[in-house]
This record gives sequence, C-alpha cells and structure tokens, in this order.
Amino acid sequence: GQSLEQPSEVTAVEGAIVQINCTYQTSGFYGLSWYQQHDGGAPTFLSYNGLDGLEETGRFSSFLSRSDSYGYLLLQELQMKDSASYFCAPFPPGGSYIPTFGRGTSLIVHP
Amino acid sequence: DAGITQSPRHKVTETGTPVTLRCHQTENHRYMYWYRQDPGHGLRLIHYSYGVKDTDKGEVSDGYSVSRSKTEDFLLTLESATSSQTSVYFCAIRPGLADQETQYFGPGTRLLVL
Repeated sequence: GQSLEQPSEVTAVEGAIVQINCTYQTSGFYGLSWYQQHDGGAPTFLSYNGLDGLEETGRFSSFLSRSDSYGYLLLQELQMKDSASYFCAPFPPGGSYIPTFGRGTSLIVHP
Repeated sequence: DAGITQSPRHKVTETGTPVTLRCHQTENHRYMYWYRQDPGHGLRLIHYSYGVKDTDKGEVSDGYSVSRSKTEDFLLTLESATSSQTSVYFCAIRPGLADQETQYFGPGTRLLVL
C-alpha cells in the first residue's frame, strides 16, 4: 500500500526560507518529484530526485533519502509569487512513470 | 509550453449524460495520463496510456473509459455522468527524459455534473 504525508499548510514571510517535508510508506519506491500549483492553474514541474541527496535549481532545492522514506522541498528567498500549493510525488521503479501525488501543502507567503 | 491542450475547458452537464474530454499533444510523447483533482484529495490518476491503443487503469477508474487511436489524442469518456464526477480534470504527458522523470500538465477541464 501507499501512504503519503505532507503538511497541509505552511506560512512564511517574504525573504525567508521554508522547508516542506514529505514522508511516505510506499513499497518499491524509486524517486521523488515535486510540483507547484497556483490557484486555478495546472500543476507545474519543480524538481526531481532520482538518487539520494540534494538537487538544487535556483531558489528551490529538493532532498531525498530513500532509506528514510523522506524528502523535502526547500524554498529560499521567498517571494509573494511562491504562494501556491506544493505536491510531492514519489514514483515506483519500472518503465512507466506513475507518480502518487500527496494532498499538497498550501504555502502562504506574507509581506 | 509542452504543447498540451484540453477541450472543452469548461462543461456543465446533467446526470446520466455521456461526456467526452479530449487531450491533444503536439510532441508525439508516448505516455499520456488523465487525473482528477478534488479538494482534499490532490491529484488522482484515472487512466493512463503508454502508446496507441495501449491503456491501463489508475486509482479511480470506475465510471471512466479512455481511448487512444492516435499518438496525439487521449480521450476520457464518462459513459453516464454522476454528480460525484464533478471535478477538475487534468491531462498530462511524460517526456521521458533520460535523467529526469516529470509530467507536463494541460490547462485542465472544469466539469460540473448537475
């Protein structure tokens, strides 16, 4: 079976750093993706971890530890436009890419 | 822009009527997906396709069917719509990059079943 947990809401101020955690109990897990979704919009790809460790893309970084069934998304130098929902999406090995999406974390950035 | 369009973008229909949603891509990607998104549930996979005429069920496939007769089009059909199928439907494609797994999503279709 699959169980995926991430906080429902996180608030922070502009310029701050925020970390969104993702824990899961998924058999045969392989990697982790992160997606961002603004209200009324479509999800957009943010980050991918195919190996353990830290991946950095500009202000966003993502970390994965498969042995701990844990990952996180780190957002630095927060901006108002970062207010959105963030979804972690682990996926199993194999030829198909079938991610399981969490319920999402609503990030609210205050001025 | 991954060249994904969905039609219609909005639809209101009545319980018991058939509804077909269309997803069109311009990049000839092999994998295509249909998701629904409801408050409190995130994105849930309905069906996916890994090639022309090759499809498989996802987590919430009951009440839905799909067809893919051409690489560029993936159709989702609600044979007899119910109010529980009121949702936002997203189509997605998988580019299948060698060192990065990701999906690109279409703009979504908002479906209201009365």
